[in-house]
Amino acid sequence: DARVTQTPRHKVTEMGQEVTMRCQPILGHNTVFWYRQTMMQGLELLAYFRNRAPLDDSGMPKDRFSAEMPDATLATLKIQPSEPRDSAVYFCASSGTGGSGANVLTFGAGSRLTVL
Amino acid sequence: AQRVTQPEKLLSVFKGAPVELKCNYSYSGSPELFWYVQYSRQRLQLLLRHISRESIKGFTADLNKGETSFHLKKPFAQEEDSAMYYCALKLDAGGTSYGKLTFGQGTILTVHP
Repeated sequence: DARVTQTPRHKVTEMGQEVTMRCQPILGHNTVFWYRQTMMQGLELLAYFRNRAPLDDSGMPKDRFSAEMPDATLATLKIQPSEPRDSAVYFCASSGTGGSGANVLTFGAGSRLTVL
Repeated sequence: AQRVTQPEKLLSVFKGAPVELKCNYSYSGSPELFWYVQYSRQRLQLLLRHISRESIKGFTADLNKGETSFHLKKPFAQEEDSAMYYCALKLDAGGTSYGKLTFGQGTILTVHP
């Protein structure tokens, strides 16, 4: 059963520290998304990539967030410096193109971030 | 701009009662709608999509373009249906599918015994 793998699962850090979250999409999926989940806002799209190229990162605070996809098996989301308001669960999801699975997102387990 | 609205943050029903989770969208193009579900301690996963016109776990959802709604319904709720439910909208990107989904804020459904 193919899965999207995210690390770390939990991260507690202090304000001002750098946080890096990693995602391994399903092999063969060429579209990767980063979402942030909070009780107030629900699921917000931060950024997404297709064939490793960034398509839309308008949902991401540019001054402190950055998203990259150095290769087809790794996507990263970095926060520097982190702030308490960044505390949330960050989800990575991937999808393929074509066929019945197109447009269907497979989500990772999420990275729960707490910034003190 | 596209938007998905789920007006109820919390919804409680008793086992065996009908349940309806509301979802309204605003989008000028041809939408594709989905319902995703997140059970406790599990990953967010697809429940159903409107183009499939299927019933999953007893749930159905009909796209009503006149009312711009995609409400999720089940005639007899079960305790195991308790979860967070998200409605999502995929934009029609001129025929080129990138799969970008805009989600609503989610509804927490609690089914009491």
